[in-house]
Amino acid sequence: AQKITQTQPGMFVQEKEAVTLDCTYDTSDPSYGLFWYKQPSSGEMIFLIYQGSYDQQNATEGRYSLNFQKARKSANLVISASQLGDSAMYFCAMRAHGSGNTGKLIFGQGTTLQVKP
Amino acid sequence: EAQVTQNPRYLITVTGKKLTVTCSQNMNHEYMSWYRQDPGLGLRQIYYSMNVEVTDKGDVPEGYKVSRKEKRNFPLILESPSPNQTSLYFCASSLSQGAGRGGYTFGSGTRLTVV
Repeated sequence: AQKITQTQPGMFVQEKEAVTLDCTYDTSDPSYGLFWYKQPSSGEMIFLIYQGSYDQQNATEGRYSLNFQKARKSANLVISASQLGDSAMYFCAMRAHGSGNTGKLIFGQGTTLQVKP
Repeated sequence: EAQVTQNPRYLITVTGKKLTVTCSQNMNHEYMSWYRQDPGLGLRQIYYSMNVEVTDKGDVPEGYKVSRKEKRNFPLILESPSPNQTSLYFCASSLSQGAGRGGYTFGSGTRLTVV
């Protein structure tokens, strides 16, 4: 079965420090994509970063980077130089590309990040 | 501006009163989907549509209906809402079900309360 696990329900980080949000996944499909989304208190889902299973390098988008360890099936999000505006819920998600692909995104439970001034 | 528009943003209704949450996208996307978000469970797919007149069940379809008569619109229908359908709902679209790093565009969400 395909599954995303986020084991950190809540985290704190000091402003300007880096923080890592954990995500492990499970799939038997060799081709898949991994996503991170941010959900601020206003509720919208904001796309942050994407990693394809065949990508050779870890994805980076500004202050966000994805630490992709394929053998360990982990896709941790690293936020560098945290800002107060980073306080939000963060979701890891996966879409498998194999046969029978329905386009479904499978989400983890989410991690609430609070940045302290 | 490329976007997915959901309405309403907030809705309080009573058990059994039929309601429709609308979703419209202006990106000519083929793939559209509905999710519900509940605490501790993340987002779960309700229904999806790969194109006009092509819809199928997701993981939690009970109590919901959808239709896709036009490419841009994908309404979510609750024929007889119950309190366990109180949730935050998201509509999302993408170019296709296999869209890669382009990913999905999400609507702003609809917070539904059924009393």
